[in-house]
Amino acid sequence: EPEVTQTPSHQVTQMGQEVILRCVPISNHLYFYWYRQILGQKVEFLVSFYNNEISEKSEIFDDQFSVERPDGSNFTLKIRSTKLEDSAMYFCATSDPRSNQPQHFGDGTRLSIL
Amino acid sequence: AQSVTQLDSQVPVFEEAPVELRCNYSSSVSVYLFWYVQYPNQGLQLLLKYLSGSTLVKGINGFEAEFNKSQTSFHLRKPSVHISDTAEYFCAVSDMDGNNRKLIWGLGTSLAVNP
Repeated sequence: EPEVTQTPSHQVTQMGQEVILRCVPISNHLYFYWYRQILGQKVEFLVSFYNNEISEKSEIFDDQFSVERPDGSNFTLKIRSTKLEDSAMYFCATSDPRSNQPQHFGDGTRLSIL
Repeated sequence: AQSVTQLDSQVPVFEEAPVELRCNYSSSVSVYLFWYVQYPNQGLQLLLKYLSGSTLVKGINGFEAEFNKSQTSFHLRKPSVHISDTAEYFCAVSDMDGNNRKLIWGLGTSLAVNP
């Protein structure tokens, strides 16, 4: 079964530094999503991306966050100036809008801000 | 706007006992419903989904859930749990209309199966 691949699995970064989290979607999927899960809390929607632009974003997704698909394969989440509260598990998911099947999730990137 | 309420934050249960994890949702539009499981330090795995048709859906690992439109519920059940079912369980919904399948999540229920 095709998979969504996320790298790195764990990222440790100093506060104030920029981080880029990467996701390789399933090849025929056109909708991409990022979710965040702070330790011990629920999963929260950050952003959805379709046709090379943001489709929807939550209030969490402020100006320090950005997404892009730079090379037609990777889908990236950039956090410009990280804060301690950005420490969380970040999940990428993808879906095929032509079907009603659920999203496929990657295994997540654990981001630790020091 | 949609919301998901998981009524129990923690459910302790003995091995081989039945279990029900409750989920209620609120939405002004028709929705798809999902249950995901998260084992310690792992990612999110789809247990089962309701898209349409029969309101009783069966998933992996012996779990099933019943969609009740009048009560806006989608409770998860298993007739006999194992130690290995110890995990966090999340209920989630997404819009049926449109192509954006973003998921709105409940707070999760921690299932602890004891010997």
